[in-house]
Amino acid sequence: EADIYQTPRYLVIGTGKKITLECSQTMGHDKMYWYQQDPGMELHLIHYSYGVNSTEKGDLSSESTVSRIRTEHFPLTLESARPSHTSQYLCASSDPVRAPNEQFFGPGTRLTVL
Amino acid sequence: AQSVAQPEDQVNVAEGNPLTVKCTYSVSGNPYLFWYVQYPNRGLQFLLKYITGDNLVKGSYGFEAEFNKSQTSFHLKKPSALVSDSALYFCAVRDLDSSYKLIFGSGTRLLVRP
Repeated sequence: EADIYQTPRYLVIGTGKKITLECSQTMGHDKMYWYQQDPGMELHLIHYSYGVNSTEKGDLSSESTVSRIRTEHFPLTLESARPSHTSQYLCASSDPVRAPNEQFFGPGTRLTVL
Repeated sequence: AQSVAQPEDQVNVAEGNPLTVKCTYSVSGNPYLFWYVQYPNRGLQFLLKYITGDNLVKGSYGFEAEFNKSQTSFHLKKPSALVSDSALYFCAVRDLDSSYKLIFGSGTRLLVRP
């Protein structure tokens, strides 16, 4: 079944640790996105990708980095987690040809940095 | 710059009553508008979109939205609310500078009481 997956769903980690949030989609979408969602609900685009080997910074500055080595995979990495990184991270993908303008979201990863 | 505004942080409605979640937009040119819903501990789900055509757009779960160009609004409506409609609702507009990016509103929490 075509879908978009995120792991882990919940992560509690100590300050200074390196973490990678995984995002995979089985829909063959070229475009992928990472959003950070504040506790107060607002969504902020932090990274996006047009396709393999393409990554761009989003509207909100983030200390995280992303990579896009395969179409289906778009992991997000924090080299040294801090409490200010505590948030929910949502991954999304889109296909501008078959479903233009629609984004499909994963379930999210709720990150807590102690 | 394009933007959407959701003036209400929360909307409360009794089950069986009609509901409206408000959204206004600011776009130079023709807007592409969207509504997404987020249930607890889930990612966002696409509800409906307006690209062109009829001003009344029908979407998932019995929701509809009315595009009003003169009022620059795209309010989400449902004739009869269900308790299960309780969730976060996000209005979004396509970024005209990048057709793959969406600009989200701040979200409105809908609470339907039995």
